Amino acid sequence: EPEVTQTPSHQVTQMGQEVILRCVPISNHLYFYWYRQILGQKVEFLVSFYNNEISEKSEIFDDQFSVERPDGSNFTLKIRSTKLEDSAMYFCASGDSLNEQYFGPGTRLTVT
Amino acid sequence: GQNIDQPTEMTATEGAIVQINCTYQTSGFNGLFWYQQHAGEAPTFLSYNVLDGLEEKGRFSSFLSRSKGYSYLLLKELQMKDSASYLCAVRYTGGFKTIFGAGTRLFVKA
Repeated sequence: EPEVTQTPSHQVTQMGQEVILRCVPISNHLYFYWYRQILGQKVEFLVSFYNNEISEKSEIFDDQFSVERPDGSNFTLKIRSTKLEDSAMYFCASGDSLNEQYFGPGTRLTVT
Repeated sequence: GQNIDQPTEMTATEGAIVQINCTYQTSGFNGLFWYQQHAGEAPTFLSYNVLDGLEEKGRFSSFLSRSKGYSYLLLKELQMKDSASYLCAVRYTGGFKTIFGAGTRLFVKA
């Protein structure tokens, strides 16, 4: 059964550094999402991506963040100048319609 | 705001039935998801409701009442592996942004 994959599973970075989190959505899906979940808190929507552009973003998704779909399979989230409070699990999700979202296993980002 | 309310915790017995409720603000409602999340893992998609009524999928069913801003997830024949958090999430107007509730931690005991 097709799955969303994410790399790396765990990323440790120093405050102020840039990180790129990578996702490979399920191959025939058209809708892509990034979420984050701070330890012990609720899942938070960051951004959605459809038809090669951002379709919606949350207040969290400010100039520090960017997304890209550089080719037909990858979907990346870049976080510039990381802060301590960016430490969280980052989940990528995809769906072939708006009626479903399948999550990847997540990347645990630790900012020290 | 777009608050989504769920009970924080519930406990049920193996083999029993449990109903997990979710209430949300109706303005701009576009659809409701239920997810299961085991500790330390990603959410797993369970169901999506956009029309009123009950949708059954094996041991899990999901109900929606749009006028009341209310949904529930019904789990039958509970198994120990059903111990997890159950997340209610609502899609609002605009179509893409999904707001998650804090989740209900379900404990299934023998």
